[in-house]
Amino acid sequence: DAGVIQSPRHEVTEMGQEVTLRCKPISGHNSLFWYRQTMMRGLELLIYFNNNVPIDDSGMPEDRFSAKMPNASFSTLKIQPSEPRDSAVYFCASSLGQNNEQFFGPGTRLTVL
Amino acid sequence: SQQGEEDPQALSIQEGENATMNCSYKTSINNLQWYRQNSGRGLVHLILIRSNEREKHSGRLRVTLDTSKKSSSLLITASRAADTASYFCATDGFRGNQFYFGTGTSLTVIP
Repeated sequence: DAGVIQSPRHEVTEMGQEVTLRCKPISGHNSLFWYRQTMMRGLELLIYFNNNVPIDDSGMPEDRFSAKMPNASFSTLKIQPSEPRDSAVYFCASSLGQNNEQFFGPGTRLTVL
Repeated sequence: SQQGEEDPQALSIQEGENATMNCSYKTSINNLQWYRQNSGRGLVHLILIRSNEREKHSGRLRVTLDTSKKSSSLLITASRAADTASYFCATDGFRGNQFYFGTGTSLTVIP
């Protein structure tokens, strides 16, 4: 198994631009999580899905952030418009069951200029 | 608010020594997990301990859980340079629909 796949690995964009991060969970996993990691705030859960349905999006910072999971093998996290304070590493993780071991992707390092 | 808090924030030891990291949390949990993160990489799951368990072992790792004190510890025995990483504890809310990672302990093992 290839593990959790995230793309792109690095993204540099200018303030105001739309950014879309992508995630392919491990086949068969039914829970998917989006995290953001910064030096200041550590690792924060943004949103998670169970069986493609968003369960808890209370960590999504503002309306500029949105996440979708159209099917069991794909999810996106979109930021529109992006701001410099959104610069961080964004991780996607998946698990079999929402309370079990999570497998993390390599992350997307986002830089907003 | 953040659920898990690790202590110490940073730890530096010699190869072969044992490393102990602690995690405290605030509310009741179903389970607690420990993860490792190497620099520039994603997190890797190490061990999960459920609220009805007190101790668990995996190789050189030993995890304890004290639900009365709302705390857990991770012990790495006979440390190696390759153990250098950040270690995080993660807890779920009692209802199992919230997940929190602590701020992490940065461990450096000096060869």
